[in-house]
This record gives sequence, structure tokens and C-alpha cells, in this order.
Amino acid sequence: GNSVTQMEGPVTLSEEAFLTINCTYTATGYPSLFWYVQYPGEGLQLLLKATKADDKGSNKGFEATYRKETTSFHLEKGSVQVSDSAVYFCALSEWGGAQKLVFGQGTRLTINP
Amino acid sequence: DAEITQSPRHKITETGRQVTLACHQTWNHNNMFWYRQDLGHGLRLIHYSYGVQDTNKGEVSDGYSVSRSNTEDLPLTLESAASSQTSVYFCASSESNIREWQLGDEQFFGPGTRLTVL
Repeated sequence: GNSVTQMEGPVTLSEEAFLTINCTYTATGYPSLFWYVQYPGEGLQLLLKATKADDKGSNKGFEATYRKETTSFHLEKGSVQVSDSAVYFCALSEWGGAQKLVFGQGTRLTINP
Repeated sequence: DAEITQSPRHKITETGRQVTLACHQTWNHNNMFWYRQDLGHGLRLIHYSYGVQDTNKGEVSDGYSVSRSNTEDLPLTLESAASSQTSVYFCASSESNIREWQLGDEQFFGPGTRLTVL
């Protein structure tokens, strides 16, 4: 079945450091790919998405490119801030209009000032 | 503003009791979902619904049931709570019409319910 694998955390960085959180997927068909973010005590919020190969999603300085050849959707940010501290989830939406999301295990990110 | 709410936010219950978690959305979305979040597993789909009177089983549906009598609500019932069902539960909704095969539509999540089964 479909699955998503994220790099294991937790990840701790200093403010202004470069961030990469790796995400790879296994899926049949043509899934859409997402990054969701969960701030402490809150539900998940969509951070960015890409719906076809080579699409780049971007939001709040974060970027991720849908790479079909490597089945990857790595999250990057050039200069992180303390406010980026959260748990990040990579997810895919199964092809065929089912709208069901399959999530990775999540990566906890802590940014120190 | 439209929103999605869950209640209660925290619940402690005993093994064997029936528990119902509420989810209410004012987005008028057709699609609603229930997930559980456990350390090391991310979120896993329990049940989902594409509209009134429609319900479907997800990946981890054993021991759970849902019903959809109107657009706004999708309550999740644990028929006989077990310690393995201690978790954080999230409800979500999205607006796509599956007949149009729309992909990539955002799911909006509620704040979650932390359930402890003793």
C-alpha cells in the first residue's frame, strides 16, 4: 500500500540555520503531496502542497519539490526562526479523488535563539 | 468565521465504557475524516465520510464507529474503550466533490481530543 517515510527527529537547529527535512513516498498512480505543520497544542495546518511531478510548493519561506524520479518531497527553508518550532508531517493524497491522506510519522523541529 | 471544533478537548474514561467524541464543522464541507495520532505513527485514518449517510472504514477502524446524519457533524464512537485507544484524535474536513476527481485539496483540522483510557 501507499506509505510515507520522513527523516527521524527530533531536529534541533540554531536560528538562521538552513533546514532540510527529508520525505520519501511509495504510491501507485499519481498522488498529491503535502507538508502539514502542527504547532504546540493545535491541530494540523497545511503548509504547502504539490499536485504533479516537478511542481514546487512554497509558503512562509518553506519550499518542497515533487520529485517523481526519486519519489521524494523534501522540505527546505533557507533561514529558520524560533517561531518555526513545530512538528512537521509529510503526507500524500491517494490518487483517484479519494481525498484520504497517508501521513509520515512526523518530525519535531526545535529552533534555538 | 467558518471553523471546525472538537469536544471534549480532554477525556479520561475507563476500559469497557462507550465514549463519543464530537466533531462539528461550519465550512459546509462534504468530506469529513477522523484520525488518531500516536508517537512514531504520525496520523492514521480511522473513518471517513463523503456526505450525509455515507461512512467508510479507514486503516485503523476496529473498535470505532461513525455516523453522518447531517453535513456539519461526524461523531466518533468507541463502543467499548480499550487502553490501546489512548491517543489524540483529530477530525478534519475538506470540500472537494470526488466526482470531479479533484486532487490536492486542503483538509482543515480541528484542535484535537486527548483521550485516556484507564
